[in-house]
Amino acid sequence: NAGVTQTPKFRVLKTGQSMTLLCAQDMNHEYMYWYRQDPGMGLRLIHYSVGEGTTAKGEVPDGYNVSRLKKQNFLLGLESAAPSQTSVYFCASRLGGQETQYFGPGTRLLVL
Amino acid sequence: EDQVTQSPEALRLQEGESSSLNCSYTVSGLRGLFWYRQDPGKGPEFLFTLYSAGEEKEKERLKATLTKKESFLHITAPKPEDSATYLCAAGGAQGAQKLVFGQGTRLTINP
Repeated sequence: NAGVTQTPKFRVLKTGQSMTLLCAQDMNHEYMYWYRQDPGMGLRLIHYSVGEGTTAKGEVPDGYNVSRLKKQNFLLGLESAAPSQTSVYFCASRLGGQETQYFGPGTRLLVL
Repeated sequence: EDQVTQSPEALRLQEGESSSLNCSYTVSGLRGLFWYRQDPGKGPEFLFTLYSAGEEKEKERLKATLTKKESFLHITAPKPEDSATYLCAAGGAQGAQKLVFGQGTRLTINP
C-alpha cells in the first residue's frame, strides 16, 4: 500500500494562475480531507468529502474548489492563486466508522 | 467554539531526560483525541487515538494519557531520533467531520 500520495510535491505559481493538486489513496477510505498548514496557525481544514461525488466546506474554503469524481482521488483547485495561498497543503483520509485520519506527504505551494 | 492548545511551543531536552508535552482541549462531545508526529518536510504521522478520560496508550518511549480537559504525551528516556514536532488534535460532536489541531510542540533531543 502506498497509503496517501500527493502530486506535485512542490510548485511555484504567479498571482492569478490556476492549478490543481491531486490526492490519491489506495486504502478504500470513504472520507478525504484537504488541510493547509501555516507557521503559527496549525492545520486548518479547507474542504472535505464523505464519499464519491460529495464535498463540503471546512474552516477556510474561500479561493479553493474541490472534486471527488472517484473514491480514491480528491482534487483541490485554485482558480486564481493569491500570495495568501502560499502554504503547505496536506491531504488526509479515513475509513468510515473510524476516527483516525492518515496524512499524505504534502505539497508546498509558493505564490509570487 | 472547539479549541486545542499545546504547550510548550518548543522543548529542548538532553538524551535520556524524560518530560511531558501538554494538550489542553475544549471540545463538545469528544469523539477522539489524536497525537501525531511530524518531521520537517513530511506529513503528520499517526501515533495514538484516545477516546475517554483515564485511557492510556504506549508506543516505545511514548505514552499518551487523557483527562476530561487535557492530554499528555510522556516521553521517557528520549533519543535524538525522537526530535520532531508533536501535534495534538481533537474531534468533537459538532462539525462531525472536522479535527481541530493545536499548533504543535517542537521537541529537540540533544545527544
